Amino acid sequence: ETGVTQSPTHLIKTRGQQVTLRCSSQSGHNTVSWYQQALGQGPQFIFQYYREEENGRGNFPPRFSGLQFPNYSSELNVNALELDDSALYLCASSPGGTDTQYFGPGTRLTVL
Amino acid sequence: GDSVTQMEGPVTLSEEAFLTINCTYTATGYPSLFWYVQYPGEGLQLLLKATKADDKGSNKGFEATYRKETTSFHLEKGSVQVSDSAVYFCALIKAAGNKLTFGGGTRVLVKP
Repeated sequence: ETGVTQSPTHLIKTRGQQVTLRCSSQSGHNTVSWYQQALGQGPQFIFQYYREEENGRGNFPPRFSGLQFPNYSSELNVNALELDDSALYLCASSPGGTDTQYFGPGTRLTVL
Repeated sequence: GDSVTQMEGPVTLSEEAFLTINCTYTATGYPSLFWYVQYPGEGLQLLLKATKADDKGSNKGFEATYRKETTSFHLEKGSVQVSDSAVYFCALIKAAGNKLTFGGGTRVLVKP
């Protein structure tokens, strides 16, 4: 049990809609990273937040955005959903100054 | 850019067989290396890690040694169980980096 939680577990949206996914980091962890895992593939880095500031971004368009709150929980927002956004979205937290990331169970997003 | 290459799966074994999953990487400098495991319908669990050359990570009977000269981090287990059936991901993170770079994953199926 890593202590990282995500909600919701599953979500179904239609193309063009917007979605918000949530993540609560493990106690004492001030860094949160988000990854997209398409079916049958390895996770791809979306972005990272450290102390409420974006700290690096992967090759994802601006319609993927995020927030981190003072309690270090985080949100991932995706606007103008496309069919290819269907994936498992994983949140990972880590203590500041370390390189080990601990993952939550993920949110399965289906875009119809 | 950085990359991780894993052997293609699925790997099908009988219980108590020896498991090896090959992983090689391309990265500048001295990344930290990880193995994560993903059980069906779940997020990623950290299995083991190594942070410098010749380090051996181990956990739950699994082992992997950081080989700088061959840029490899092969995962091994001497006697697998049915409960080891899962997808295994090799990953790296650069020193002072913020993102994990994953391989494509190797599905392992252990039959009784």
